[in-house]
Amino acid sequence: AQSVSQHNHHVILSEAASLELGCNYSYGGTVNLFWYVQYPGQHLQLLLKYFSGDPLVKGIKGFEAEFIKSKFSFNLRKPSVQWSDTAEYFCAVITLSGGYNKLIFGAGTRLAVHP
Amino acid sequence: EAGVTQFPSHSVIEKGQTVTLRCDPISGHDNLYWYRRVMGKEIKFLLHFVKESKQDESGMPNNRFLAERTGGTYSTLKVQPAELEDSGVYFCASSARQETNEKLFFGSGTQLSVL
Repeated sequence: AQSVSQHNHHVILSEAASLELGCNYSYGGTVNLFWYVQYPGQHLQLLLKYFSGDPLVKGIKGFEAEFIKSKFSFNLRKPSVQWSDTAEYFCAVITLSGGYNKLIFGAGTRLAVHP
Repeated sequence: EAGVTQFPSHSVIEKGQTVTLRCDPISGHDNLYWYRRVMGKEIKFLLHFVKESKQDESGMPNNRFLAERTGGTYSTLKVQPAELEDSGVYFCASSARQETNEKLFFGSGTQLSVL
C-alpha cells in the first residue's frame, strides 16, 4: 500500500532560521504531491502542490518544495522562518494509478518557531 | 462563501455511548470525504461520497462506524458503540470535482474523546 513518511515529528526553530521538512512516499508510479498546513485553531489548507513540470515548486508565504523522483522525496523548505509559521505541516500524495484516487497523508510535523 | 463546517467541534463521551458527527460541505460540492487523525499519527482516509453515494468506504475501521449523506448535502458519521481507540480528530473535506483534488476544502475537524 502507498504510504507517506515525514521524518520529523517535532521541529523547534528560532526566527530567521532555515527550515527543511522531509517527506518520502512509497509508490513507483506517477504521483501528485502536496503540502498542507494547519495553523493553531484553523483548518487544513493547501500550502503548495506538484503535478508536473519544474520539480521546484513555489508556494504561499515563501515556502517551496522540491520533487526528487529518484529519491521519492518532496521536502518542504523555507529560507527564513517567522513566528507566524508555527503550525503543523502535512505532506500528502495522490497516486495516479487510473480509476479512483485518494489523498494519502503523512503523520505531520509540528513546527514551533520562537521569536 | 461559507466553508466546510463541522459540528460539534469537540465531543467527550464514555465508552459504549453513541456519537454522531456532522459535516456540511461547501454548497454545490458533490464530493465529500471523511478523514480521521488519531493522536500523533497520519490523517487517514475513511470514506468518500459522490453526492449521496459511497464511492469508496475502504477506510472505515469497522461496522461500528456508519456514514450517511441523505440527499447529497450534509453528511453524518455515527460511531456506535464508541471505543477508546476511536478518539481522535475527524476531518471532513469537500471538492467540486474528484479529479481536481487540489481544491479540497477542509473543515476544522471534530475532536472526539472517548473515556
